[in-house]
This record gives sequence, C-alpha cells and structure tokens, in this order.
Amino acid sequence: AQRVTQPEKLLSVFKGAPVELKCNYSYSGSPELFWYVQYSRQRLQLLLRHISRESIKGFTADLNKGETSFHLKKPFAQEEDSAMYYCALNTNAGKSTFGDGTTLTVKP
Amino acid sequence: KAGVTQTPRYLIKTRGQQVTLSCSPISGHRSVSWYQQTPGQGLQFLFEYFSETQRNKGNFPGRFSGRQFSNSRSEMNVSTLELGDSALYLCASSLGRTSGVVTQYFGPGTRLLVL
Repeated sequence: AQRVTQPEKLLSVFKGAPVELKCNYSYSGSPELFWYVQYSRQRLQLLLRHISRESIKGFTADLNKGETSFHLKKPFAQEEDSAMYYCALNTNAGKSTFGDGTTLTVKP
Repeated sequence: KAGVTQTPRYLIKTRGQQVTLSCSPISGHRSVSWYQQTPGQGLQFLFEYFSETQRNKGNFPGRFSGRQFSNSRSEMNVSTLELGDSALYLCASSLGRTSGVVTQYFGPGTRLLVL
C-alpha cells in the first residue's frame, strides 16, 4: 500500500533562512508526487509537480527514487511562505494519498 | 476558467440525519475526487468519479456514497450521520486521464458539523 510521511508537523524558521520540508513515500510503482500548499483561509492549491521540475515561488523539489523522498526546499524563506504544506502521492488517476502536512512558520 | 466550486460551504446536521454535498468541477474536467479532511486523520481519499462511474474508492463505510452526472458535476451523500463525520469535505477535479500525471484542482470545501 502507498504511504506518504511528513515527519515534521511544525517547522519554524527565520525570514531569509533556508527551509526544507521533508517528504518520504512508500510505493512499489512509479510515483507521481506533488506538493500542495494551503494558506490561511484559502483552498488547497498545487505548488509543485515532480514531473515538471519547475521552481514555483522559489520552491523546488527533487524526486529521489533511491531514498524515496521528495523534499521541498527554498533557499531564502519569506514571511508569506507561512502556510500548511502537504506532500501527495498520486497512484491511480484521481486518487491521491496525502501526508499529514507540515505547518511552516516564517518568523520576521 | 472558473475554479472548482462546492455547495454549501457550511452545514450543521444532527446525528442520524443524512447530507448531500455538491461539487462543480472545472469546465472540461471529467474526473471528480472527494476527500475528507479532519485534524486527527488529515486528508483521506473517499472516492473518485469519472464519466459518471466510480473509478476509485477509499476505505470509508458504505454510508458514504457519491454520484456523478453527465455534466461532470458530482454529489456526495452521507447517511446516518455520526459525530465523527464532522469534517471539511474537499472536492478535486482533473482532466481524468488514465495515464500520465494527473493534476487535481481543489475546491474550497464544505465544512460539515454533526451535533
């Protein structure tokens, strides 16, 4: 069965510091991984897809199949990055398995 | 394009009642997935509909059911409500390809409170 683990429920960094939100997955097939973000009082929105290999709002994430990880990174955190971040594994069309989420707080 | 919409946004019911939630996907999207979000369990997959057929199902009891109409709009029904059904119910739509990366777009959710 598939599983997504986000080991940190809470993460706090100072503005300008690097940030890394960890995500590990367990899946026997070829994974499709995503990062979603939920800002306060807003809907869940897509941040990154592993297949796109893009940088959104300064965030990047690299799929490491050897370590079964998909960590989200940003070199210089901003206060507006404070939000809840979810890592998700899509295994079958419209079915995603989500991690428990990490609440990121960026302090001024 | 308009985003995913869900109605109603808030709902209060009592134990034993039933409830129907509605989701209108992004125009052109044929897949609608439903998730339950609670503080204790996080985001859990309920089911997915594609072209009016349930294509995937999560581990929820039979009290949770859904359907999809020919215009891709979807409804979710919960019968015999329990206190533990209090949650934010999220709907997500996607193009619904059976292969390749599937990107889901989420609605704002319906917050259900069972008293």
